[in-house]
Amino acid sequence: GENVEQHPSTLSVQEGDSAVIKCTYSDSASNYFPWYKQELGKRPQLIIDIRSNVGEKKDQRIAVTLNKTAKHFSLHITETQPEDSAVYFCAASSDGNQFYFGTGTSLTVIP
Amino acid sequence: GAVVSQHPSRVICKSGTSVKIECRSLDFQATTMFWYRQFPKKSLMLMATSNEGSKATYEQGVEKDKFLINHASLTLSTLTVTSAHPEDSSFYICSAYKGIYEQYFGPGTRLTVT
Repeated sequence: GENVEQHPSTLSVQEGDSAVIKCTYSDSASNYFPWYKQELGKRPQLIIDIRSNVGEKKDQRIAVTLNKTAKHFSLHITETQPEDSAVYFCAASSDGNQFYFGTGTSLTVIP
Repeated sequence: GAVVSQHPSRVICKSGTSVKIECRSLDFQATTMFWYRQFPKKSLMLMATSNEGSKATYEQGVEKDKFLINHASLTLSTLTVTSAHPEDSSFYICSAYKGIYEQYFGPGTRLTVT
């Protein structure tokens, strides 16, 4: 089955700086890579996703890059704000149905 | 987006009792729902795939007699933790599959077994 690894597990940045979270996957059949943000005690919310036919996708301050050859993808948050503080999960799926999640990154943005 | 609810949001039960958690898709029909377990500061672990009208598919290492899943309608899946023990205490989250690449999470249920 798919194995998704995520780094770092914790990340602290100063407000206004950028944050980068990286994930690797093992199944070359995976073709869909969503990122979720989960605030404490709440449900994960999809923030951005990318499919294997593109290498980069951007939505305002959030961007995701994908390197299919190396089987890794990254989340980039620019101009971080305190409200960006949360746990972020990457995931991979080969059929758009079953998702396999990374281990999560706890991001803290220091005002 | 779409709305998925879970009930209850929190439950405390005594060791040896059974607890049922409901997952509902409120504004769409979901032939497939998923159940996840999340430990503190840990990732979401897929427990099982719940298919309407058929048996659930369990991930390796998940006891199907311990975690009973019933997907009796297109909008409701239930997870019953049978003979609960303290080690079953966790945050359980469901998600509902609206379409390919579209999965919406419920708010989660905090289970505490005393």
